[in-house]
Amino acid sequence: SQTIHQWPATLVQPVGSPLSLECTVEGTSNPNLYWYRQAAGRGLQLLFYSVGIGQISSEVPQNLSASRPQDRQFILSSKKLLLSDSGFYLCAWSVIGLSSGEQYFGPGTRLTVT
Amino acid sequence: AQSVSQHNHHVILSEAASLELGCNYSYGGTVNLFWYVQYPGQHLQLLLKYFSGDPLVKGIKGFEAEFIKSKFSFNLRKPSVQWSDTAEYFCAVSNTGGFKTIFGAGTRLFVKA
Repeated sequence: SQTIHQWPATLVQPVGSPLSLECTVEGTSNPNLYWYRQAAGRGLQLLFYSVGIGQISSEVPQNLSASRPQDRQFILSSKKLLLSDSGFYLCAWSVIGLSSGEQYFGPGTRLTVT
Repeated sequence: AQSVSQHNHHVILSEAASLELGCNYSYGGTVNLFWYVQYPGQHLQLLLKYFSGDPLVKGIKGFEAEFIKSKFSFNLRKPSVQWSDTAEYFCAVSNTGGFKTIFGAGTRLFVKA
C-alpha cells in the first residue's frame, strides 16, 4: 500500500534562517505531488504542485520554493524565513492521469518562525 | 475568482442528530468535488468525491453528498451522527485531474455523547 512521509513533524526556526521540509511517497510511481499550507480557519492553500521530476508549478508568489529531485521526493525550501511563513505544511500525492484527482495527505509539519 | 465557501465554521450536535454541512463553490469549467475529513490526531483523508455520474454520492461511515450544479453546491449530510464523527470537514473543488484544488476554510464538528 502507499504511504507518505513528512519530516520533521515540528520545527521552530528563527527569522532569516533557511528551511528544508521533505516529503517522500512509497508504494507508487510517478505521482503528482503537492505542497499546501494550512492556516487556522482558512483551509488549505495550494503552494506548489509537480507532475514529474524537475517540474514545479507555483500557485502563490511567496518566500518559498519547491524541488522534486527524485520521482517520489518533494522538498519545500526557503533561503530566509519570515514570521509569516509560520503554519502547518502538508504534502499530498495523487495518481497521475486519474480524472477524479483525489489526493492523499501526509501527517504535516508544524513550522513556527520566531 | 475560484473559491469554496463553507457555511459554518463550528457546529455542535448531540449524538443521533442529523447533519448537513453546506458548501458552495465558484470554479469555471468541469469540476470534481470532494469532502475531506481530519479526525483528531489523524491525517486529512478523503470522505467522498464526485467527478461524474449520479450527483448523489455516498462515502465512508454513512456520509453522503449531493452535487446540485444549478446551485454550485455540494452539501454533506449524515442522518444520525455519532461521537466518533467529531472532526474537521473540508469541502474542495478541482479541475479534471485535480491539479488546482481549492479548499474551503473547514467546519469543525463536535458531537456530544
